[in-house]
Amino acid sequence: EDQVTQSPEALRLQEGESSSLNCSYTVSGLRGLFWYRQDPGKGPEFLFTLYSAGEEKEKERLKATLTKKESFLHITAPKPEDSATYLCAVTETSGSRLTFGEGTQLTVNP
Amino acid sequence: DADVTQTPRNRITKTGKRIMLECSQTKGHDRMYWYRQDPGLGLQLIYYSFDVKDINKGEISDGYSVSRQAQAKFSLSLESAIPNQTALYFCATSDGLVDEQFFGPGTRLTVL
Repeated sequence: EDQVTQSPEALRLQEGESSSLNCSYTVSGLRGLFWYRQDPGKGPEFLFTLYSAGEEKEKERLKATLTKKESFLHITAPKPEDSATYLCAVTETSGSRLTFGEGTQLTVNP
Repeated sequence: DADVTQTPRNRITKTGKRIMLECSQTKGHDRMYWYRQDPGLGLQLIYYSFDVKDINKGEISDGYSVSRQAQAKFSLSLESAIPNQTALYFCATSDGLVDEQFFGPGTRLTVL
């Protein structure tokens, strides 16, 4: 059974204080790892897909990386508008169903 | 207009009532999904459909049913609502060629 564990559950940063969120996963064969951002009361918004170990993708202040066991979402010099819950999900080679982690709630204080 | 729409956005109902949540999409995607989100539990898959004639159960299908009326429409029903079905419900779509799923704005359901 696919498993996705995200840490920490919650993270508070000061504006400009860089940090990383972790997503550890267990799948029989990884087809893709996904990062989503979710604002309160809204649907998840797609950020990145990573397919193979060593792959990296960037978008503004966010950079996602992937190893064979985990993914990191690095946030460089965050701003208050980066406050949200960040969700990680995986899909295995045999299907297209996403298995989600429980998310990391990020708060960036001005 | 939003690519994935859900109606209603909020619903309060009583135990034992039948409820239908509707999802429509204009993205032209074949695949549609229904998820439930509870605080601290992440997103759990209820049902998914790869085309109009293909319906599959997800992790937590008990107490729910679905109908795929057309490529663009996928409805979720609670035949007899119970309080522990109080949650946020999301519809999502994907085109099958890539795996990213695109989510609707959600329906907040409260069962009293």
